[in-house]
Formats: sequence, structure tokens, C-alpha cells
Amino acid sequence: DTAVSQTPKYLVTQMGNDKSIKCEQNLGHDTMYWYKQDSKKFLKIMFSYNNKELIINETVPNRFSPKSPDKAHLNLHINSLELGDSAVYFCASSQAGDNQPQHFGDGTRLSIL
Amino acid sequence: GDSVTQMEGPVTLSEEAFLTINCTYTATGYPSLFWYVQYPGEGLQLLLKATKADDKGSNKGFEATYRKETTSFHLEKGSVQVSDSAVYFCALTLNTGFQKLVFGTGTRLLVSP
Repeated sequence: DTAVSQTPKYLVTQMGNDKSIKCEQNLGHDTMYWYKQDSKKFLKIMFSYNNKELIINETVPNRFSPKSPDKAHLNLHINSLELGDSAVYFCASSQAGDNQPQHFGDGTRLSIL
Repeated sequence: GDSVTQMEGPVTLSEEAFLTINCTYTATGYPSLFWYVQYPGEGLQLLLKATKADDKGSNKGFEATYRKETTSFHLEKGSVQVSDSAVYFCALTLNTGFQKLVFGTGTRLLVSP
């Protein structure tokens, strides 16, 4: 009965590779998000989708491309991985509208060698 | 721009001690304010929220009051437990319909028996 699930939980890869992280929510929410948490625990939003439409795109390199095949899924594809991409990536979801709490997945720890 | 400032951690307390974690914000407009908690190896969970001035959010013995005059949302608990050890994040959203959470840097709480 996991609400927001991300796969994989850990991802270790080399510089220059391309990788994807998948996210699914079974809460019936309309809005999904990707956040990046760096080594100092600082969290910053990357993208947000509402009903498969991109609504927030923070200043993220073009190498990061989110894809939302339906409103229950928001995947993150990263091209040409760099050392600075090492972080924990969190997916979240919420109902649309103000003040709605966001529900987070357990994170994907990406390590670039 | 909009930002959240939290006290640096770690905060180290003995069980049953009183907890305060300071949080102040800068925002254009009237934000909603949140406290999220992150237990080791997990994603963030909403702890409490307040959506307008003088509102008090409370949950699991934790409280925070939205103080517009001091632009603050300090987290308090009267008697902490070892199980409260976690990282606590203060955050805001502006009520624009786009739920972009802006997080503080997080404060690690360590409670010893």
C-alpha cells in the first residue's frame, strides 16, 4: 500500500552515462514533483507536473528531462551524468490547489563514480 | 526572492527536554508555512502546517505558530523522545496555485536517553 514509490532506491553509475528514475503514486493526486537533496541535506524543487502538464521548471540543466505518461507517474531521465549530479532525488505528489500537503517517496540515492 | 532560514544543527537534547527549532521566512505575498520531518533513510513527512497569520499547527506534541509580525514559524515540543531524532525542515509555499515548496536547510535533532 505504498503511497509514493520510487525505483531504484540506489543507483551507482559512471560519469557520462544516461539513467532514469521512476516514480509512481497511488493516492489519486493530480500533481507530482521532483526534488534534489544535496549532501548537506538542502532540498530544492526541480520540476512539477499537474495532470501530465509541466508547471514548474526550475533552472535545471537540459540533461534532466522529466516525463509524465499519466498523472500517476513522473519519471526523471538524466543524460550525460556528471559528478555534481550525485544526490538523493525525491519524488512527491499532492492534490492540486494551495496548502495541500506533499507526500514524498523514500528517495533515490544517485552516486556518480 | 522567497527563502526560509533555520537554525543550524545538530540540536542535541536529553529525553524529556524542551525543544525549540527556530525558523524565519522572507516572502513576497502571504505564504503558507510547513514543518516536514525526515527520519533516517526515508522521505519527508508533513508534521504540521499553518496557512495564515496567528494560526497554530500541531501534531504529535509538536506545535508552531505563524507569526506574521516576526515572520517566524518556530517549532516547539514540550518533552522530546528518542524517537523524535530526525531532520526537521521548515518550508513555505506562496498561494499561487503552484505548490512550489521552498525549504530551509534542515535542522538535525539528536535525542539521547
